[in-house]
Amino acid sequence: GDSVTQMEGPVTLSEEAFLTINCTYTATGYPSLFWYVQYPGEGLQLLLKATKADDKGSNKGFEATYRKETTSFHLEKGSVQVSDSAVYFCALVHPGGFKTIFGAGTRLFVKA
Amino acid sequence: KAGVTQTPRYLIKTRGQQVTLSCSPISGHRSVSWYQQTPGQGLQFLFEYFSETQRNKGNFPGRFSGRQFSNSRSEMNVSTLELGDSALYLCASSSVATNEKLFFGSGTQLSVL
Repeated sequence: GDSVTQMEGPVTLSEEAFLTINCTYTATGYPSLFWYVQYPGEGLQLLLKATKADDKGSNKGFEATYRKETTSFHLEKGSVQVSDSAVYFCALVHPGGFKTIFGAGTRLFVKA
Repeated sequence: KAGVTQTPRYLIKTRGQQVTLSCSPISGHRSVSWYQQTPGQGLQFLFEYFSETQRNKGNFPGRFSGRQFSNSRSEMNVSTLELGDSALYLCASSSVATNEKLFFGSGTQLSVL
């Protein structure tokens, strides 16, 4: 079945450091890929998405590129802030599908 | 526009009891999904409803059930609670217009003692 694998956390960085959170997936066909973020005490919110190979999703300085050849969707940010501290989830859904599959989540701590 | 509303925010129950959680989706959204979030398992899909019909179900025992009403509000029920049911239960809504994007509520934190 379909699945999403993320790098284990927690990831601890200093402010202004470069961030990469790895995400790979297993799926048939061409799913849409997402990154969601969860701040403490809140539900998840969509950070960015990509719907086809080589698409780049971007938002709030975060970027991820849909790599079909490596089945990956790694999240990157050039300079993290303390306010980026949260849990990040990679996810996939098939077009017209009724089920979004999430990775286990990666907790990010950013120190001032 | 109001977001996804889940009630109650916190619940404490004892083993063997049953519990009902409520979710009000964003106005106009007809799809509601439920997820269980635990530190060890991440987000596990429970079920998805659209126009009062369950379209997909995850791998959970029959103690977990749900339903959706004609106004798209949804409830999930867990009977005969076990300690392992302690988790954050998240509800998410979506519409055709949002193109697969899920909008999540803040969740109900269930503790089973």
